[in-house]
Parts: sequence; C-alpha cells; structure tokens
Amino acid sequence: EVQLVESGGGLVQPGGSLRLSCAASGFTFSSYDMHWVRQPTGKGLEWVSAIGITADTYYSGSVKGRFTISRENGKNSLYLQMNSLTAGDTAVYYCAKGWFGETFDSWGQGTLVTVSS
Amino acid sequence: QSALTQAASVSGSPGQSVTISCTGTSSDVGAYNYVSWYQQHPGKAPKLMIYEVSNRPSGVPDRFSGSKSGNTASLTISGLQAEDEANYYCSSYTSSSTRVFGGGTKLTVL
Repeated sequence: EVQLVESGGGLVQPGGSLRLSCAASGFTFSSYDMHWVRQPTGKGLEWVSAIGITADTYYSGSVKGRFTISRENGKNSLYLQMNSLTAGDTAVYYCAKGWFGETFDSWGQGTLVTVSS
Repeated sequence: QSALTQAASVSGSPGQSVTISCTGTSSDVGAYNYVSWYQQHPGKAPKLMIYEVSNRPSGVPDRFSGSKSGNTASLTISGLQAEDEANYYCSSYTSSSTRVFGGGTKLTVL
C-alpha cells in the first residue's frame, strides 16, 4: 500500500524559511515523479512543484526562485525547501505521487504551514 | 499560469446526472490528453477519479466518466449518490511542463 507522510509544517514569520519532508513507502520511490500541491484553508488546490526521476525540477510561477524541491531516493524521501515565505504561502502542503498521464494517484494527509507574525 | 475555470457549485438529486466543466486554453487542456479529476471530501486528501481525460483508476465506480472537447474537459457523474457530495477539481499538464488545477466545484446532492 502506498503511503506518503508529510512533516515539517508549522508557524513561521514572514521572510522566514521552512523545510518540508515527505516519507514514501509501498512503491519504488525512485521510479516515479513526485509533486508538492498546496491548499489554503477553505480554498482550492494549487500545484507547487515537481521533481522527475532524473531529478529535473519544475515550479509554479508563484514559488519559483523561493522554493526548492529535492529527493533522496536512498531514503525514499521528498523535500521542499521554502524561503522568503509570505502570508500567501499559508496552506496545507500535500506530497503527491506522479502517475500515468501526468496524474497524481496517491496523496499524503498534508502538513500545515502558517506564515504569520 | 492561470487556474482552469470551473463553476463554483453544482447540485443534483439522488439518481440524477450532473456534469462539471473545466475550461483551459490551447496551452493546457486543449494541447494534451492529460486532464485528470479529483474528489475531495472536507478535511480529507484529494482522490484521483479520472486520468488521461476519460480513464478510471481501479476502484472508481463507472458512474464517473470524463470527456474533452477543445479546451474544455468535463466530468459526468451519473446515478448520483449521497457520498458523491464533495469538491471536485480538474487538473491539466501544461506546455511549460507544469501542472494547473481548476478552482474547484462543490457538488451538493439534494
């Protein structure tokens, strides 16, 4: 069974940094693209970033230059380094596994990031 | 990249059919057959319902179907059931190799 468990969320001041982690199990982690998707409370889903199996990376315009996605296949782990955080980054951050047709077929339960002074 | 356009809400009675539309551009929905649909109940993670426009993952009832015409994709739910009440999001691959979601549609089963 695929399991994705996010961690690292919390309260951070504007301008601060945070590193999210996603521990994966139940599948061959190195063989799949991985994504971060976020959702502000009461609002819709927003794709944030992706990393391919060859560590190629992609970002939404709203986080490019501030966020860095990475993966450590030996630890079955996905990361998101978030810098220069603003109130607009406040959201639940989900880790999602890529699948056929540029789809997200498995999701974690999310970790809440709150940016506030 | 702007979000795909979805109606904010839709409703239907048990047993009826509803269709949720998702409109993008020639750089995303219109360019690729990489449209997927997700169901999200309050407080839960999203669940994949449709991938590659019209394919259902194992375990998703055949009451859920998808289609696409031009820049607009659609999700149809037939034989509405109470447990179908949820938020539904479309997603598409884009020409920039990024992904984009729709704003979401709240389905109410009357």
